Amino acid sequence: KAGVTQTPRYLIKTRGQQVTLSCSPISGHRSVSWYQQTPGQGLQFLFEYFSETQRNKGNFPGRFSGRQFSNSRSEMNVSTLELGDSALYLCASSPRKGGRYEQYFGPGTRLTVT
Amino acid sequence: AQSVTQLDSQVPVFEEAPVELRCNYSSSVSVYLFWYVQYPNQGLQLLLKYLSGSTLVKGINGFEAEFNKSQTSFHLRKPSVHISDTAEYFCAVSKSGGYNKLIFGAGTRLAVHP
Repeated sequence: KAGVTQTPRYLIKTRGQQVTLSCSPISGHRSVSWYQQTPGQGLQFLFEYFSETQRNKGNFPGRFSGRQFSNSRSEMNVSTLELGDSALYLCASSPRKGGRYEQYFGPGTRLTVT
Repeated sequence: AQSVTQLDSQVPVFEEAPVELRCNYSSSVSVYLFWYVQYPNQGLQLLLKYLSGSTLVKGINGFEAEFNKSQTSFHLRKPSVHISDTAEYFCAVSKSGGYNKLIFGAGTRLAVHP
């Protein structure tokens, strides 16, 4: 089975622009979660989608949004980019909801905001 | 709310020596406990997890962890490390019966020296 894929792997944007990151989960997985990883704040939960519905959202401003499509692929969008949004964005998929199942992580998208 | 504390930010160790990476958690509800490993420029990979039952959990690559409810700890151990174990290790919790939301510790960088 193919693993979680994320595109693009690297991205450079300018402050004030917006960006869309894509995540394709493992086939059959219906839950997709997003995390932000920075040296200062570590790994922080952004949001979780299950069957096209956002189930939970972390403590991030409204500039961060996401969606999930009927084939479970997910996108996250960051509008009005700030320098502090530079981070590794990780997507993880899981077969079910409930917190007890392994989350399979993709390699991440490295976003640099200049 | 849940929180995770990894007591050591860096652990240097010689090859073939034993190692213990410490993790303490705080939660007012039942949680599931996980250890993930991150190699450079990669996503996270699950080493092991504790859901319930036996407090000693065995994982991949020779790692094991012991859940101690009274001490609210979930320390990771390996009896003999290899150079290839050099990586960042993250302890995480998720709420029992809740969302696929992982709360991570700050990470411990394990550096194995020849």
